[in-house]
Amino acid sequence: ETGVTQTPRHLVMGMTNKKSLKCEQHLGHNAMYWYKQSAKKPLELMFVYNFKEQTENNSVPSRFSPECPNSSHLFLHLHTLQPEDSALYLCASSHGLAGDTYEQYFGPGTRLTVT
Amino acid sequence: KNEVEQSPQNLTAQEGEFITINCSYSVGISALHWLQQHPGGGIVSLFMLSSGKKKHGRLIATINIQEKHSSLHITASHPRDSAVYICAVSTGTASKLTFGTGTRLQVTL
Repeated sequence: ETGVTQTPRHLVMGMTNKKSLKCEQHLGHNAMYWYKQSAKKPLELMFVYNFKEQTENNSVPSRFSPECPNSSHLFLHLHTLQPEDSALYLCASSHGLAGDTYEQYFGPGTRLTVT
Repeated sequence: KNEVEQSPQNLTAQEGEFITINCSYSVGISALHWLQQHPGGGIVSLFMLSSGKKKHGRLIATINIQEKHSSLHITASHPRDSAVYICAVSTGTASKLTFGTGTRLQVTL
């Protein structure tokens, strides 16, 4: 596999369920990101990890819990979500952060529907 | 008001036409990104630029830092160019991107 992969591609879950989204990058990058894309809204940054350490939490509700066990893998654990959390969740990666801006590479996204 | 504004929101063109999508931003930036999103969701980075102009195939991106404005041009447009084009800027912390709402382009035969 090459690039950035995400699983599952589609997920339907009830408000009381617990599920996890997985992202894996095969690019040797050090930084990984979670984004949320809701209908009719701009992409929103949720979390940033750099060398496995969380460097950004964009005021995301605690029902979203990220995990980054190593520089290649990123998870987003979901519990007690609300219908308004239905969106496309995108993962991205880039080279590490050292004051310079790097190009980000995106995965295909997970389309989440909360019922 | 969004920090990143794009125009137009929707654009329909005939194959072969020259297309321009505009992006204006209101904050100081370290770089500006142009991204392409096809139906189904996947996003591809087209350009990252902090000054001047970049060209890749039929795509050209320009930026005017003083005017806080960037344009994405597509020459000899083709139906496969149909997608949403998103402008994003890196501000402050280099990792943090702020996105525009996107321009939906449809190129017809």
